[in-house]
Amino acid sequence: GEDVEQSLFLSVREGDSSVINCTYTDSSSTYLYWYKQEPGAGLQLLTYIFSNMDMKQDQRLTVLLNKKDKHLSLRIADTQTGDSAIYFCAETHDNYGQNFVFGPGTRLSVLP
Amino acid sequence: EPEVTQTPSHQVTQMGQEVILRCVPISNHLYFYWYRQILGQKVEFLVSFYNNEISEKSEIFDDQFSVERPDGSNFTLKIRSTKLEDSAMYFCASSERRPAGTRGYTFGSGTRLTVV
Repeated sequence: GEDVEQSLFLSVREGDSSVINCTYTDSSSTYLYWYKQEPGAGLQLLTYIFSNMDMKQDQRLTVLLNKKDKHLSLRIADTQTGDSAIYFCAETHDNYGQNFVFGPGTRLSVLP
Repeated sequence: EPEVTQTPSHQVTQMGQEVILRCVPISNHLYFYWYRQILGQKVEFLVSFYNNEISEKSEIFDDQFSVERPDGSNFTLKIRSTKLEDSAMYFCASSERRPAGTRGYTFGSGTRLTVV
């Protein structure tokens, strides 16, 4: 079946950029998403990218997609302490309305 | 911003007991889902529900599990006879359309189920 992998931990200093990486196996993926989970909270949709795009920018967030390598990244510019959370990569494909497949999540720690 | 609401936030139950986890999806959403996350593991799909019936279910969703939309607003997950391995965070989600497209799913904040 489909699989999504992420590194589990990332630490950065406040003000630096964070880059969270994700790889996936489903070549039929149509949409790829980044969700954020703060302590005690649900999964909050941060951004998405459609599979025919290479890049999407949304304020401090930049998503890069390398479809050939099935590699997705989320860059957070000027990382703040409020960005400390777990970030989940997820993919789905439209053709069959398949349900989301999530990665294990990357725990981002922002150090002052 | 509309929210998916889940209650309770934390439930402790004895092994073998029945539990019902409750969710109120976003009011104009038509598709409903349950996912779970065992501590330290991935978020896993359990079941999707549309038009008062199950659309898809995973291998995890065995006969011990059932879902129901008892009225126009609630969506429940019942576990008939809980096992220790059912301990997890259970997330409810809803979506306006399916496939979810650009809006993804809206998730609740989860119910942490602890089976002792």
